[in-house]
Amino acid sequence: DTGVSQDPRHKITKRGQNVTFRCDPISEHNRLYWYRQTLGQGPEFLTYFQNEAQLEKSRLLSDRFSAERPKGSFSTLEIQRTEQGDSAMYLCASSSEDLPHEQFFGPGTRLTVL
Amino acid sequence: DQQVKQNSPSLSVQEGRISILNCDYTNSMFDYFLWYKKYPAEGPTFLISISSIKDKNEDGRFTVFLNKSAKHLSLHIVPSQPGDSAVYFCAASGSKAAGNKLTFGGGTRVLVKP
Repeated sequence: DTGVSQDPRHKITKRGQNVTFRCDPISEHNRLYWYRQTLGQGPEFLTYFQNEAQLEKSRLLSDRFSAERPKGSFSTLEIQRTEQGDSAMYLCASSSEDLPHEQFFGPGTRLTVL
Repeated sequence: DQQVKQNSPSLSVQEGRISILNCDYTNSMFDYFLWYKKYPAEGPTFLISISSIKDKNEDGRFTVFLNKSAKHLSLHIVPSQPGDSAVYFCAASGSKAAGNKLTFGGGTRVLVKP
């Protein structure tokens, strides 16, 4: 399977703990995006990378959130000092240089903060 | 400010009939529009897209229509099949210079009855 993969699929944590999610994009895709989806809403943009450079961060991404894509391949999203409001589905997507608007999504990581 | 809106939260249709999903947007700078399908506990699956310079794009049972003057697009599924039952999201893409980040509508839940 050469699609976008995310790990873990589910994460339950206690408020105040740190969590880290991983995304492996489609191998030839140079753009990687993170979105967050809460119940009953569409996904909302968080941040994106072109190769290893993080080019934009949404105002939704507070200082507790940090994302990296160190070698331009996989990416990690870390949330420090989690809050109950962070509970959501975190989605990763990737796209190619040729068709940058067509983003292919991974299965997501469901985060529950107790 | 909700730049992309799907005003119908749900739609029920008989198998074999046409499903019509609607989407409105406000930002005239969007240059691509996309439809995604989402099953529970999975990431969105890309269905079809349309460039802002076109008014129709067809792919098998799926056709997307774009009315730029009305800032409105629609997705037609014909004939509808029970496997089409899912949540459908309309999304709009900014320019490549703006990162092609997607702005999503709130989704329409489609139920196809056998």
